[in-house]
Amino acid sequence: KQEVTQIPAALSVPEGENLVLNCSFTDSAIYNLQWFRQDPGKGLTSLLLIQSSQREQTSGRLNASLDKSSGRSTLYIAASQPGDSATYLCAVGGSGSRLTFGEGTQLTVNP
Amino acid sequence: GAVVSQHPSRVICKSGTSVKIECRSLDFQATTMFWYRQFPKQSLMLMATSNEGSKATYEQGVEKDKFLINHASLTLSTLTVTSAHPEDSSFYICSATSGSFSYEQYFGPGTRLTVT
Repeated sequence: KQEVTQIPAALSVPEGENLVLNCSFTDSAIYNLQWFRQDPGKGLTSLLLIQSSQREQTSGRLNASLDKSSGRSTLYIAASQPGDSATYLCAVGGSGSRLTFGEGTQLTVNP
Repeated sequence: GAVVSQHPSRVICKSGTSVKIECRSLDFQATTMFWYRQFPKQSLMLMATSNEGSKATYEQGVEKDKFLINHASLTLSTLTVTSAHPEDSSFYICSATSGSFSYEQYFGPGTRLTVT
């Protein structure tokens, strides 16, 4: 059974700081990995999707990497802004398009 | 990008009644739809997977007679919470995939269910 762990559970940083969120998974037989953002009381916003054959994906200030063999992914956020404050979820895609989610990292960027 | 809608966004119902939540893919055909629930400050837990025209596959511990899922068309899936109880109060989120190469799932905005 796939298990996904995200570290840290919560993170508070000053505006402008670069930061890294971590995600680890136990079963390396994955199809893809997605990073999502969730604002309080809202649904999920997809940030980046990395296919199993890829090493990283970039979108604006976000960069996600994937090391399938070691079961790890990182989400790098450059020059953080208060608007980046949210919960970030990592989800691993397995057979049948099933996603297994981590518990999330709650990020607060202080102005 | 692909858009998934849910209706209603919020619903309050009395204990013992049933409530239906709709999930629609607006601009693509969803061969597979997923239903998740999320308790406060917790992550998403998959409840069931539904493929168009076939019975849903429920995750362990999810009562299929309580959470009825119908996926009658390639753009619509419904979740009916039957005989709702306060402990069913939660945030329900659906997602859909077209089954394309990327297997990317597109998520709806969620439905907040409160059972009084």
